[in-house]
Amino acid sequence: DAKTTQPNSMESNEEEPVHLPCNHSTISGTDYIHWYRQLPSQGPEYVIHGLTSNVNNRMASLAIAEDRKSSTLILHRATLRDAAVYYCILINTGTASKLTFGTGTRLQVTL
Amino acid sequence: SQTIHQWPATLVQPVGSPLSLECTVEGTSNPNLYWYRQAAGRGLQLLFYSVGIGQISSEVPQNLSASRPQDRQFILSSKKLLLSDSGFYLCAWSSGPIFYGYTFGSGTRLTVV
Repeated sequence: DAKTTQPNSMESNEEEPVHLPCNHSTISGTDYIHWYRQLPSQGPEYVIHGLTSNVNNRMASLAIAEDRKSSTLILHRATLRDAAVYYCILINTGTASKLTFGTGTRLQVTL
Repeated sequence: SQTIHQWPATLVQPVGSPLSLECTVEGTSNPNLYWYRQAAGRGLQLLFYSVGIGQISSEVPQNLSASRPQDRQFILSSKKLLLSDSGFYLCAWSSGPIFYGYTFGSGTRLTVV
């Protein structure tokens, strides 16, 4: 499976935008980029996914590099409730039954 | 709408005792079902997944087993718990992982003493 690399931790001030990076230099053409987040003492929560084009939803935006070797999850205005571990995961039809989590990025949001 | 139920929320069990954790999904049919474990301070590890009734795939050899007796029911079991089985157990379902993602239950925090 193609691997992803994320910073261990990041900090942000409340109300500020947050850009969470993910490197996936060995991504294949059929890999979709998924983002999940896990709030303390809860199960992971789906955030967003994309293949080649940038994506927006009510939770976040996903910016995908033109060569697809990296992507960035964008939280437009961080709140204290966004403090969580964010996971960037690649998934394709060959691994469609399995979501493999890495270590993710722990986001701290302060007032 | 689809919902996933997982119970109990917390469990304290002695070493050597049996375990049964249940997960049910409502509002969908023929979902893919998954069991994950998260040890304290560690990442999420996929334990088992199932794409249909009676079809179980194991990801890691261990002291646990899984069963899917009904379409929307997934059970995690152990005959004799070990201290190393302690952790946060999460059930998840998906109708199409690529386009619809996974939905996770609220988890069971198991402490083996």
